[in-house]
Amino acid sequence: EAGVAQSPRYKIIEKRQSVAFWCNPISGHATLYWYQQILGQGPKLLIQFQNNGVVDDSQLPKDRFSAERLKGVDSTLKIQPAKLEDSAVYLCASSPNLSGRGYGYTFGSGTRLTVV
Amino acid sequence: GESVGLHLPTLSVQEGDNSIINCAYSNSASDYFIWYKQESGKGPQFIIDIRSNMDKRQGQRVTVLLNKTVKHLSLQIAATQPGDSAVYFCAERNNDYKLSFGAGTTVTVRA
Repeated sequence: EAGVAQSPRYKIIEKRQSVAFWCNPISGHATLYWYQQILGQGPKLLIQFQNNGVVDDSQLPKDRFSAERLKGVDSTLKIQPAKLEDSAVYLCASSPNLSGRGYGYTFGSGTRLTVV
Repeated sequence: GESVGLHLPTLSVQEGDNSIINCAYSNSASDYFIWYKQESGKGPQFIIDIRSNMDKRQGQRVTVLLNKTVKHLSLQIAATQPGDSAVYFCAERNNDYKLSFGAGTTVTVRA
């Protein structure tokens, strides 16, 4: 089966600009996650969707970050305006359901964002 | 803050030797644990998982041990190969289905 697709792979923007990332999960996976991974750290959950509804966005900086999964398939994550500390790899993951057991959590390769 | 952490940030191992990577977790309510391998420029890749009602699980060249008494998780890699060089993360799933990661251990395999 195809994996989790993310684009773009790399993005460099100036601070205060906006940026958007796209994720296409594994076909049929109901649950989708966005993680932020700062260099040298483990991934940190930003938001979790179940189909097109938000399950958890408690760690999402909502003053500048937004995410949507309108049709319960693809998802976009947006940052507006970007800050220097947003420089990180943004990972998308999906799982068949909330429990995610076994091979359920599958990650994409991520988008590396550099804010200058 | 993060509830899962690793004891050592780096581990250097001779090719052919066994590797042991440790992880401490703090949330006693976590019921499921996963070890991931992350190579440069790639997303985390599933290695092996274990449920909280188990204390050991084996895969191909890998073994995960869970000690709930001291909230400790370890990953053992047998006959470490150059391709095993990567960053290894343990992750725990809380009872609200959120997966939390530690900071990771960078494993370097010496030829």
